[in-house]
Amino acid sequence: DAGVIQSPRHEVTEMGQEVTLRCKPISGHDYLFWYRQTMMRGLELLIYFNNNVPIDDSGMPEDRFSAKMPNASFSTLKIQPSEPRDSAVYFCASRGTGSTGELFFGEGSRLTVL
Amino acid sequence: AQKVTQAQTEISVVEKEDVTLDCVYETRDTTYYLFWYKQPPSGELVFLIRRNSFDEQNEISGRYSWNFQKSTSSFNFTITASQVVDSAVYFCALSVDSWTDKLIFGTGTRLQVFP
Repeated sequence: DAGVIQSPRHEVTEMGQEVTLRCKPISGHDYLFWYRQTMMRGLELLIYFNNNVPIDDSGMPEDRFSAKMPNASFSTLKIQPSEPRDSAVYFCASRGTGSTGELFFGEGSRLTVL
Repeated sequence: AQKVTQAQTEISVVEKEDVTLDCVYETRDTTYYLFWYKQPPSGELVFLIRRNSFDEQNEISGRYSWNFQKSTSSFNFTITASQVVDSAVYFCALSVDSWTDKLIFGTGTRLQVFP
């Protein structure tokens, strides 16, 4: 079975540009999480969805960040405008209800903002 | 507030050595969940184990074992007879919300196993 699929794997952009990261969760999973990993702050939860509905976005850094989940098989994380401090690896993870609590992570999208 | 501390930033061992990764957590909740994840060089995080606060039994899975001690708020991870393939960053994490697994991660311990 396919795991969590993220794209792009690598993105290099210039400050001020819009960045869109994409995620396809594992089929049947109804929870989706976006995490960010940086050297300074480690792994941080940005937002999570349950049945496509955003439940907690308290980790979203600021209004420049937005996330959507238009259907059960697709989510986006958008940064507009991007800044150098947004450079990080962004992970998407999913899990199903009633599971052991195991999150399935994608391979991450490494973002570099110049 | 919840917090996870992994004091060991990096550990280097030679193959076949045993190694223990330390994890200390803080929470005022009586119900909570502890996790270990592995992040190999390929980047994705891989789930290893989940324990709830009411189950202090140690667990063994092959060469991996976990020691949960509420008295010291620790959830340590031991790899017996380490192998080169164990080289990775290992994260301990805490959740006080079982329904959503909103995880609070430690800073990770990088384990390097040399042949």
